[in-house]
Amino acid sequence: DAKTTQPNSMESNEEEPVHLPCNHSTISGTDYIHWYRQLPSQGPEYVIHGLTSNVNNRMASLAIAEDRKSSTLILHRATLRDAAVYYCILRRNNDMRFGAGTRLTVKP
Amino acid sequence: DTAVSQTPKYLVTQMGNDKSIKCEQNLGHDTMYWYKQDSKKFLKIMFSYNNKELIINETVPNRFSPKSPDKAHLNLHINSLELGDSAVYFCASSQRGQIAEAFFGQGTRLTVV
Repeated sequence: DAKTTQPNSMESNEEEPVHLPCNHSTISGTDYIHWYRQLPSQGPEYVIHGLTSNVNNRMASLAIAEDRKSSTLILHRATLRDAAVYYCILRRNNDMRFGAGTRLTVKP
Repeated sequence: DTAVSQTPKYLVTQMGNDKSIKCEQNLGHDTMYWYKQDSKKFLKIMFSYNNKELIINETVPNRFSPKSPDKAHLNLHINSLELGDSAVYFCASSQRGQIAEAFFGQGTRLTVV
């Protein structure tokens, strides 16, 4: 139902880059790719979104495959505060459904 | 200033009771949502309202009834609470459309005993 597939968990070392993959092979032309993360005991927070081109903001970068069937969220230097569950979502109009997400563990 | 606020933060109640969770956003957004996050941490959309009109109504029991008195508020009323209703409920809001960023509240942890 969520239409996205992500690894259950990933680990990273502090200060190293992290690449979080997401597959969305059934994406339609009007779906935007959104990423959110949920820190422990908090509500989800927006990270980044894109349609076709790669995107950068102060939190992360989003690399979108040319066929749009996959994308990768890139944290350039992971910190301990980046430990969270990261969700990749296909957003169509007001519909925003979450999958299981990837739990990112950051090791000092 | 909290953008999306939910009350109460914690709610412990007995089976069979009726309870409400309130949500307010001060961002001027048109669209509001309710999500349920169960013990396995899956975030499942329950309802979505746009300008006080229900636009998404997932398969949730009729005991759950959302009410949107105005664009800034979306309350969730639950009748005849059951043990399986225990979860964290999140309210969210966004502008209309697929490029809009959604803002989430801090959640309401409901425990039914």
